[in-house]
Order: sequence, then structure tokens, then C-alpha cells
Amino acid sequence: NAGVTQTPKFQVLKTGQSMTLQCAQDMNHNSMYWYRQDPGMGLRLIYYSASEGTTDKGEVPNGYNVSRLNKREFSLRLESAAPSQTSVYFCASRLDTIYFGEGSWLTVV
Amino acid sequence: DQQVKQNSPSLSVQEGRISILNCDYTNSMFDYFLWYKKYPAEGPTFLISISSIKDKNEDGRFTVFLNKSAKHLSLHIVPSQPGDSAVYFCAASGSGDYKLSFGAGTTVTVRA
Repeated sequence: NAGVTQTPKFQVLKTGQSMTLQCAQDMNHNSMYWYRQDPGMGLRLIYYSASEGTTDKGEVPNGYNVSRLNKREFSLRLESAAPSQTSVYFCASRLDTIYFGEGSWLTVV
Repeated sequence: DQQVKQNSPSLSVQEGRISILNCDYTNSMFDYFLWYKKYPAEGPTFLISISSIKDKNEDGRFTVFLNKSAKHLSLHIVPSQPGDSAVYFCAASGSGDYKLSFGAGTTVTVRA
């Protein structure tokens, strides 16, 4: 019973490098999300996908791109990482309530 | 502009006593409210929810109260237990809205 699985769990990047965070859910949910959590800021929505084939910007989309590969998978890409993108990233999927993955800790140096 | 606000960043309570967490929202279109609990190094997990047609929802030790006129909700934990020590997030969404807006969180510490 995996739920929402995201990889990698930890990553250190140099400024300017690119990387992709992968996310998959096995609950057959239509909606998927990427949030970032920063101290004192709570959870802020980066991008979401209401259904397969659609993606929309959230509160803080700058510097990120997403791909909804199929119903199960929703990836988040940092094209040119910046120190301001050091954060904990959570993927989630939703039916009525939203279910989160365990988080990806990203440090950009 | 944060639409969901948790104005108390932290709360310390003695084991066995009541914990009361507060949340305010500004968007009158919100009609579904949730509380999430988060332990360090884990993802948030769903705790309890309430729709705007109700003013109270109870699940075991957890009760959520909604005051629509004041745009305010609260989470009561009775009695508080050491395992309740975590960060609690309030979240809200509107009808047909795919997005959830979250508050900044309240860190609860239950003292033995």
C-alpha cells in the first residue's frame, strides 16, 4: 500500500544544475500536486494537475516546470537550481482529502 | 496574500489537558476545511475535516469547530498525549477548486 511515492529523498545540487523530482501515486487519483515547505511559510503550492494532460501554476511556480506523464506520475523539474529553491518538496494526490508523499529534501549550494 | 492563517506558531500543553489550535481564513468561497498533522522528516497526514454545512465534526479525541460568520475554525485535542507533539496545518478549499490553501502551521508540544 504505497500511496504517494517520491524520489529522491535527499539531494544536494550546485547552483545552476538541473534535476527532476519524481512522484507516483497508486490510488487512481485524478489530481496531483507539488508543494514546498519552508520555515514559517507552511505549505505553498508550486504546480498542480487537475487531471491527466493538464497542469496549472500554483502560488510559487517560478523556476519550476512540471510534467503529468500519465495518471500515476507527476514530475517536478528545476532547470537551473538556485539557493532560494532549498526546501522540502512534497508531492500529493487528492480525492476528497489530499495524501502526501514523505518529502524530498533539496539543498542548493 | 495568505488566505489561511494560523497566528500561533507554537503551543505547549501538559499531557492530559486540552490543546486548542486556531485557524482563520479570508476567502468566503472556502467551504471545505481540513487539519493535517506532520511529524519531522515525514509527509503531512490527514487528521480531520469539516464542510461548511456543519459547525462541528468529531473523531475520537479530535474535534473541529467551524464558525463561518467569523471565518474561524479550531481544532480541539482532548486529552493531549505525547504522541500528539507535531506540527498541525490548517487547510481550506472552495467548491470545485482543485487546490488546497495551507496555513503556516502550529507546532504542538505535549509535556509529560
